Amino acid sequence: DQQVKQNSPSLSVQEGRISILNCDYTNSMFDYFLWYKKYPAEGPTFLISISSIKDKNEDGRFTVFLNKSAKHLSLHIVPSQPGDSAVYFCAGRLSGYALNFGKGTSLLVTP
Amino acid sequence: DAGVTQSPTHLIKTRGQHVTLRCSPISGHKSVSWYQQVLGQGPQFIFQYYEKEERGRGNFPDRFSARQFPNYSSELNVNALLLGDSALYLCASSRDRGNTEAFFGQGTRLTVV
Repeated sequence: DQQVKQNSPSLSVQEGRISILNCDYTNSMFDYFLWYKKYPAEGPTFLISISSIKDKNEDGRFTVFLNKSAKHLSLHIVPSQPGDSAVYFCAGRLSGYALNFGKGTSLLVTP
Repeated sequence: DAGVTQSPTHLIKTRGQHVTLRCSPISGHKSVSWYQQVLGQGPQFIFQYYEKEERGRGNFPDRFSARQFPNYSSELNVNALLLGDSALYLCASSRDRGNTEAFFGQGTRLTVV
């Protein structure tokens, strides 16, 4: 039972534009949400997190928005760079330890 | 500082064999978690260890076991390997039990033939 869903398997964006990656969840018990970036043959790299009591968190070019009523979060990357091309995973934290991941969205930033 | 290190990076095993995967967390991190990632899916939680005790377990059969040592390194053991165990096994460490900022190693690619 997939509790975290990333419904877009892929996304293509031009360099300099905004990338918006979306994530939906079903479990109201998640208390934190995390975004990870993964390159081939590497482990996931932590990007940014947000507590379930917040609605926005910003770190440089990355901003995560949380809409609890819609059980939806999104990651905005502005401006997008070719080096941002990777698979992005959204994860919800449950019960203080386990991370539940979505299937990922492959982002391609074209020059 | 070194990141999370996992060994080996790749290995091939035959059905029915057993395998041991190793993980060294970031210095100062006391929590280690294990995840399995099959192709096209996100990582799936297997275990979390904190202060050498199992703190959480995902929906995996008893063939999977793990332990954490006094230096906070960890081993994941899988017995009676099945073809479906072929996956990327990821280890993540965090400073505390909360995993609000969990850092992953590069993973061990296990192929069962």
